Amino acid sequence: DADVTQTPRNRITKTGKRIMLECSQTKGHDRMYWYRQDPGLGLRLIYYSFDVKDINKGEISDGYSVSRQAQAKFSLSLESAIPNQTALYFCATSQTLWYGYTFGSGTRLTVV
Amino acid sequence: GEDVEQSLFLSVREGDSSVINCTYTDSSSTYLYWYKQEPGAGLQLLTYIFSNMDMKQDQRLTVLLNKKDKHLSLRIADTQTGDSAIYFCAAALGTTDSWGKLQFGAGTQVVVTP
Repeated sequence: DADVTQTPRNRITKTGKRIMLECSQTKGHDRMYWYRQDPGLGLRLIYYSFDVKDINKGEISDGYSVSRQAQAKFSLSLESAIPNQTALYFCATSQTLWYGYTFGSGTRLTVV
Repeated sequence: GEDVEQSLFLSVREGDSSVINCTYTDSSSTYLYWYKQEPGAGLQLLTYIFSNMDMKQDQRLTVLLNKKDKHLSLRIADTQTGDSAIYFCAAALGTTDSWGKLQFGAGTQVVVTP
């Protein structure tokens, strides 16, 4: 099994719908992150959490919310999806800087 | 905040060396990383270098760090078709309130031709 699992892998949704992307990890890491990837823009940080009670906004948090249900689970929600939220979304975990992040395989989200 | 910049595309012939360059702006960056993304996959950590090092070598990979110029490079020796991927440079932000966060570049698409 993968260390960091994202579900779903692909999702098409309509404008205005609420959608949740889920991330779970078996690494035992305290820190979890949500990034979105857009061609030519690289990865941009949406939200991050250093432990269950500590959740912080990243550089592009507008239109998104998160929930850290447990050390191993970190969900990203789009309250009312819009087409410019079409992107590849990655969850990542870390424990120390020595080893950087461990990434999930990503969720490709299309908002029509 | 930290900005990380890298060129968007590199074409290289199989067997040649590839050099991917990256610049960053935050002189307090502590760790610098290279990640590889293959089609349809997440990012995989290739290597990292601590800011007090100038060079790190790991098999076909060589990382060079010029801290004065805030310039990082990744050299891949004997490039193979399996090296075709997007390569991301990332910097660990060094300030107290941002500890543990990485800033990523836009990624360099490397295409290896036979």
